[in-house]
Amino acid sequence: GAVVSQHPSRVICKSGTSVKIECRSLDFQATTMFWYRQFPKQSLMLMATSNEGSKATYEQGVEKDKFLINHASLTLSTLTVTSAHPEDSSFYICSATGLSNQPQHFGDGTRLSIL
Amino acid sequence: AQKITQTQPGMFVQEKEAVTLDCTYDTSDPSYGLFWYKQPSSGEMIFLIYQGSYDQQNATEGRYSLNFQKARKSANLVISASQLGDSAMYFCAMRDVDSWGKLQFGAGTQVVVTP
Repeated sequence: GAVVSQHPSRVICKSGTSVKIECRSLDFQATTMFWYRQFPKQSLMLMATSNEGSKATYEQGVEKDKFLINHASLTLSTLTVTSAHPEDSSFYICSATGLSNQPQHFGDGTRLSIL
Repeated sequence: AQKITQTQPGMFVQEKEAVTLDCTYDTSDPSYGLFWYKQPSSGEMIFLIYQGSYDQQNATEGRYSLNFQKARKSANLVISASQLGDSAMYFCAMRDVDSWGKLQFGAGTQVVVTP
């Protein structure tokens, strides 16, 4: 089946640090990738949709200058949490799809802890 | 606006028993897709089953089946012969066919399988 790799799986860093998370589709071309955020015992909240070669579309309430998304190729999208603070601590998970009528395949997620 | 509702925050089920997880949805689009995902405590999202709005038959995948009642706008997941490894969070999701296939998730149901 389709495989999506997300790296790193866990990050612990100091407040003010910028953190980059990578999402790769390993065996298919991902025209669209999605970034979600999940707080403990809550559902996934869509942060943004990124299409290869174009600017990401952010959901309402998500700061695009805080969460920078780059989707430069059909196999890689990155999420950079700039100047992270403790309130940014969360589980971030990406998904990818080739065509809009295909299931989304998820990465294993990144647990971000800001001290 | 689309909406997904999962009314059961948590359920206990005995091993080898069947369990039904409720999911109702609301959309004005005639074409949509419904998904169920499993999220173990490790965090990864595992795709279980898909039902298209025009599918005539209920979807089945091994021990998973989807009880699709279009008129009632419900898409309940049935897990037969529960196993201890089925203990996880289960999310129902609906795909917005007009927005690059992005998913809207329900709140989730925590399933605990007991021996």
